[in-house]
Amino acid sequence: QKEVEQNSGPLSVPEGAIASLNCTYSDRVSQSFFWYRQYSGKSPELIMSIYSNGDKEDGRFTAQLNKASQYVSLLIRDSQPSDSATYLCAVQEGAQKLVFGQGTRLTINP
Amino acid sequence: GAVVSQHPSWVICKSGTSVKIECRSLDFQATTMFWYRQFPKQSLMLMATSNEGSKATYEQGVEKDKFLINHASLTLSTLTVTSAHPEDSSFYICSARDGGSPYVEQYFGPGTRLTVT
Repeated sequence: QKEVEQNSGPLSVPEGAIASLNCTYSDRVSQSFFWYRQYSGKSPELIMSIYSNGDKEDGRFTAQLNKASQYVSLLIRDSQPSDSATYLCAVQEGAQKLVFGQGTRLTINP
Repeated sequence: GAVVSQHPSWVICKSGTSVKIECRSLDFQATTMFWYRQFPKQSLMLMATSNEGSKATYEQGVEKDKFLINHASLTLSTLTVTSAHPEDSSFYICSARDGGSPYVEQYFGPGTRLTVT
């Protein structure tokens, strides 16, 4: 199975700062990339998808993709305590499966 | 849009009994649904991929006779844990892919917490 690597954290960021989450993947042919947010005891929630190189912005979230480096990141601007969660990077494998990273636990400190 | 429900949200059963979990797509047709299991502080583990009207595809190491999956309609898939044992206690989460979308993003249900005593 293809691999998706994330720093497990915990990553602590002060409120109002930028949180930067990183993910690398092993399958060069992957075309679709996703970031999910998972609160403790809850199921994952899709927050960003990105399919082409460059940046994609949605509100306070920016996803960045670099296929040559096999690297995808998520930036959260103006971090809020409600952003504290585990963030899962997911990469498409084959026709429709997703491979998930281990997740990065993010804590926003008031 | 893209809402997925699961029922029940939690269940406690005795060892040796069977438990059925339902997963429904509420506002889209899900040609493909996925079943995951998640243990505490671990990431999602894909158990099987379920396509409407055909047999599920199980991941390596997942016992197909123990985890029965049925995807009888475009909005419903069920997972039955047969002869459950305490080691089957886990958080079971389904996800669904919108058959009308060209993209492969998956939308997750709220999960079912299973405890086997």
